[in-house]
Amino acid sequence: DVKVTQSSRYLVKRTGEKVFLECVQDMDHENMFWYRQDPGLGLRLIYFSYDVKMKEKGDIPEGYSVSREKKERFSLILESASTNQTSMYLCASSLPQGWKAFFGQGTRLTVV
Amino acid sequence: GQQVMQIPQYQHVQEGEDFTTYCNSSTTLSNIQWYKQRPGGHPVFLIQLVKSGEVKKQKRLTFQFGEAKKNSSLHITATQTTDVGTYFCAGQRATGGSYIPTFGRGTSLIVHP
Repeated sequence: DVKVTQSSRYLVKRTGEKVFLECVQDMDHENMFWYRQDPGLGLRLIYFSYDVKMKEKGDIPEGYSVSREKKERFSLILESASTNQTSMYLCASSLPQGWKAFFGQGTRLTVV
Repeated sequence: GQQVMQIPQYQHVQEGEDFTTYCNSSTTLSNIQWYKQRPGGHPVFLIQLVKSGEVKKQKRLTFQFGEAKKNSSLHITATQTTDVGTYFCAGQRATGGSYIPTFGRGTSLIVHP
């Protein structure tokens, strides 16, 4: 069965820390995405990548960066975590032709 | 940029009643997808609509794509407690050679037994 795996289910970090969220997919998908989900706001796209070392900003990239050194792995980096980045973070992958996205189980990040 | 509006935000129904959620885009969509997220879970793909005016059914779920490819709806007939969750539409926009889904805010369905 296809799988998108996020490294942590729950994470608590301090304000100002550098935070890495890791995502691995085993489907050889070209596209990978990072979304954040907040109550009442749905899923908002932070960054996406359509190939190794390629990345594009989504709708809310401020305060985040990404890295994709290998096709199967897409990392989200919070350079200096702030309390307003407390959220659920969802990673997804898909084929480039607009087919369905597969999501990881999510990482609930709390910044204190 | 592209915006996808989804209403209502919440819907309470009695078990056995019908439910509908609506999705509207500010731009013409290449296609539209629907996802379901159970409480505590992650979004799971339900279906994709591509053609203008397309209607697809999955058991008690009926999905429609508008003629102008700017709106869509999901209708559930005779809801069950297993239908509880948040339903998201996602409009696909083409960027270079890739398609990027833009999600609506979702409709949370609460079914009372």
